[in-house]
Amino acid sequence: NAGVMQNPRHLVRRRGQEARLRCSPMKGHSHVYWYRQLPEEGLKFMVYLQKENIIDESGMPKERFSAEFPKEGPSILRIQQVVRGDSAAYFCASSQKKANQPQHFGDGTRLSIL
Amino acid sequence: GDSVTQMEGPVTLSEEAFLTINCTYTATGYPSLFWYVQYPGEGLQLLLKATKADDKGSNKGFEATYRKETTSFHLEKGSVQVSDSAVYFCALSDGPGGSYIPTFGRGTSLIVHP
Repeated sequence: NAGVMQNPRHLVRRRGQEARLRCSPMKGHSHVYWYRQLPEEGLKFMVYLQKENIIDESGMPKERFSAEFPKEGPSILRIQQVVRGDSAAYFCASSQKKANQPQHFGDGTRLSIL
Repeated sequence: GDSVTQMEGPVTLSEEAFLTINCTYTATGYPSLFWYVQYPGEGLQLLLKATKADDKGSNKGFEATYRKETTSFHLEKGSVQVSDSAVYFCALSDGPGGSYIPTFGRGTSLIVHP
């Protein structure tokens, strides 16, 4: 009964390096969402994707951040030239292709920037 | 646009006390409403949901009723346990024709003491 799988669970990078976060949605789910969560704060929506398409990236910074959900393989959130302020927990969620469906979340990737 | 407002935490209770976490929303149309729970170090898990006015969602002793007249979806539990300590998120998702991107509240931390 595989849920949403995120890896790695913890990722440490030095300033200027690249971070790649992976997310495999639940079986049968075609919608993927990425969120960022800072300590003591709520979830901040970043990007919403379907297979091979970015549907809404209004919450993602214009520079250094990109996301993809290829036809084969997991969804990837990529952060280039990381800075200290990128340290956060990044969560992926997936849902079915229907309105009003609940989201199923992974356990997140904790990104720490040295 | 849509919005969700939750009472600020932390909410601190003794074991077996009654719990209420307030949630109000603004939305166009007829959204579905959700409560999610996040335990330390984990992702969000769906706790309960309601899809139309006067529906009551319930799970694990928690309940919430979809009140269209007051645009509220307050979470309640008659007797909390230490294991209920977590962060609780209220969320809404637009109906058919609306956005597939849910709107989350900022989360309310619950701390239950023995």
